[in-house]
Amino acid sequence: GAGVSQTPSNKVTEKGKYVELRCDPISGHTALYWYRQSLGQGPEFLIYFQGTGAADDSGLPNDRFFAVRPEGSVSTLKIQRTERGDSAVYLCASSLSRGLRNVDTQYFGPGTRLTVL
Amino acid sequence: AQSVSQHNHHVILSEAASLELGCNYSYGGTVNLFWYVQYPGQHLQLLLKYFSGDPLVKGIKGFEAEFIKSKFSFNLRKPSVQWSDTAEYFCAVIPSGSARQLTFGSGTQLTVLP
Repeated sequence: GAGVSQTPSNKVTEKGKYVELRCDPISGHTALYWYRQSLGQGPEFLIYFQGTGAADDSGLPNDRFFAVRPEGSVSTLKIQRTERGDSAVYLCASSLSRGLRNVDTQYFGPGTRLTVL
Repeated sequence: AQSVSQHNHHVILSEAASLELGCNYSYGGTVNLFWYVQYPGQHLQLLLKYFSGDPLVKGIKGFEAEFIKSKFSFNLRKPSVQWSDTAEYFCAVIPSGSARQLTFGSGTQLTVLP
């Protein structure tokens, strides 16, 4: 079956511009995660959705970052007034969510490489 | 907050050599542990995971990992590596409880020479 897909695969923008990154999770997965991976580092958590609501947004670095998942499927990560330090690979993952007592495997997409000039 | 340490940043081995990649975490409670792999040009894939039970976990492609609670470690092993194992390997943890996000180590780049 189809895995997690992310578009675009690459995005180059100028400092100060607004960008949107899209994630399409595996069908039927109710949990969706955004991570950011800088060069030479492991992925860092940004935000986690359970259904349509953000269950944990503690990893968002500041108020320039925002994410939505209006219908509980596709999610969009939005970055306002981009800065050069935002350059990274943005990863999306999804998982089944069988309840609080279960930790489900997260399946990752290929990522969007964002470059802010 | 929990953290994950991978002390080997780059490991170079010849084919058929044995592999052990270190992973230590800092968290006092019960944890769920993962190893993910990223092959060149591909996305992150789950290699193996430990939730509870037998501390020796077997994953795909002949990899295994051992959870040693007293050492806060979850080292990855493979008795004989192949050129196709060249990849970046990430250890990750989710504390038991309500948290669901993975905390990753910084990764270990493994290069296997043919």
